[in-house]
Amino acid sequence: GAGVSQSPRYKVAKRGQDVALRCDPISGHVSLFWYQQALGQGPEFLTYFQNEAQLDKSGLPSDRFFAERPEGSVSTLKIQRTQQEDSAVYLCASSSSGARNSPLHFGNGTRLTVT
Amino acid sequence: QKEVEQNSGPLSVPEGAIASLNCTYSDRGSQSFFWYRQYSGKSPELIMFIYSNGDKEDGRFTAQLNKASQYVSLLIRDSQPSDSATYLCAVYPEKLTFGTGTRLTIIP
Repeated sequence: GAGVSQSPRYKVAKRGQDVALRCDPISGHVSLFWYQQALGQGPEFLTYFQNEAQLDKSGLPSDRFFAERPEGSVSTLKIQRTQQEDSAVYLCASSSSGARNSPLHFGNGTRLTVT
Repeated sequence: QKEVEQNSGPLSVPEGAIASLNCTYSDRGSQSFFWYRQYSGKSPELIMFIYSNGDKEDGRFTAQLNKASQYVSLLIRDSQPSDSATYLCAVYPEKLTFGTGTRLTIIP
């Protein structure tokens, strides 16, 4: 596709439910990042993949958060037993370069609301 | 101290004037610096990136970097109403770290 695609665009979950957020990066992009953006804040780093390898997951806020990219393309961010503080926009970004300082291209995000 | 600091604004600038957005960062080892524009409800969009001290110009946008002062800025010349957005400064020490953004409003 032309850009980074994320689905669903909006997700409402009841507290305690599990959710799965999908990211389709730009075709051929090696690097994939997940960010969390709370209202009025800048994006906060969650995790980074280079191809299928998860090289950095230091930003994942708890062990309820899990991300995978099994074939080095599509990635899924899973949140188990959602809590209200998980409500945020989850942004996926990709980059053509394996270098960690290359510019990122963001998807439109998934807005998660936990009730 | 936050790793990347920006004045949250709002910053109001008359149409046609120069908008100046500022950002400071704490990690002296930072090597790469980015400005993203984010319209309300949309995702961040890359505007400029700069790696070396000095100025870098692209159309109406100029990024300025001063590593000694740990300061990076974005100038927007001939501001247009369509420039009204939140501008996010992002810096690479170990991972791309964003500031909270400055909300810019261009007044017609």
